[in-house]
Amino acid sequence: DTGVSQDPRHKITKRGQNVTFRCDPISEHNRLYWYRQTLGQGPEFLTYFQNEAQLEKSRLLSDRFSAERPKGSFSTLEIQRTEQGDSAMYLCASSLPASNEKLFFGSGTQLSVL
Amino acid sequence: KNEVEQSPQNLTAQEGEFITINCSYSVGISALHWLQQHPGGGIVSLFMLSSGKKKHGRLIATINIQEKHSSLHITASHPRDSAVYICAVGRETSGSRLTFGEGTQLTVNP
Repeated sequence: DTGVSQDPRHKITKRGQNVTFRCDPISEHNRLYWYRQTLGQGPEFLTYFQNEAQLEKSRLLSDRFSAERPKGSFSTLEIQRTEQGDSAMYLCASSLPASNEKLFFGSGTQLSVL
Repeated sequence: KNEVEQSPQNLTAQEGEFITINCSYSVGISALHWLQQHPGGGIVSLFMLSSGKKKHGRLIATINIQEKHSSLHITASHPRDSAVYICAVGRETSGSRLTFGEGTQLTVNP
């Protein structure tokens, strides 16, 4: 257990439905990251927060994706009008604020869009 | 061409063998990370390097900044080392986000 928890572990949804995932980072970690990983590939960066501020978003994050970290603690990632191509493992990671700090990953949320 | 490339993609070894996984990158970096991913998704950070060499138990990681290359070595490999090993770099120009290689699937047979 790395101390980063994600919920749910698995999500199966029908195309067109909205889904929301939650990440609880290690409590003293200011930085929180979302990554997406498809089978056989390395994770791809989606977005990151420092405290409650969303500092960077990938071009991968279409208008259907939104992430929040309202109080600088837990974060949510919402996907609206899901598509089959959204099926992937969504990984959350957290770290202390220095740029070269070690990342701690959650176990991920596996999304399957039918 | 990917910014981070790993070789080999797949590696099968017998228990006890010395294993090397390679990572090459093409961008300026602030740090290089080696990560281990087991089935089911969990990723564990093994090393973070910006120069030289680090050792933890049977694992050794080296980096050559001039050649833009890093290696992960496993001595006296064991079946429990079977996992995907991922190289990731923190780029100088992209703050703290990581760019990942595609991973090396290691299988160690008893």
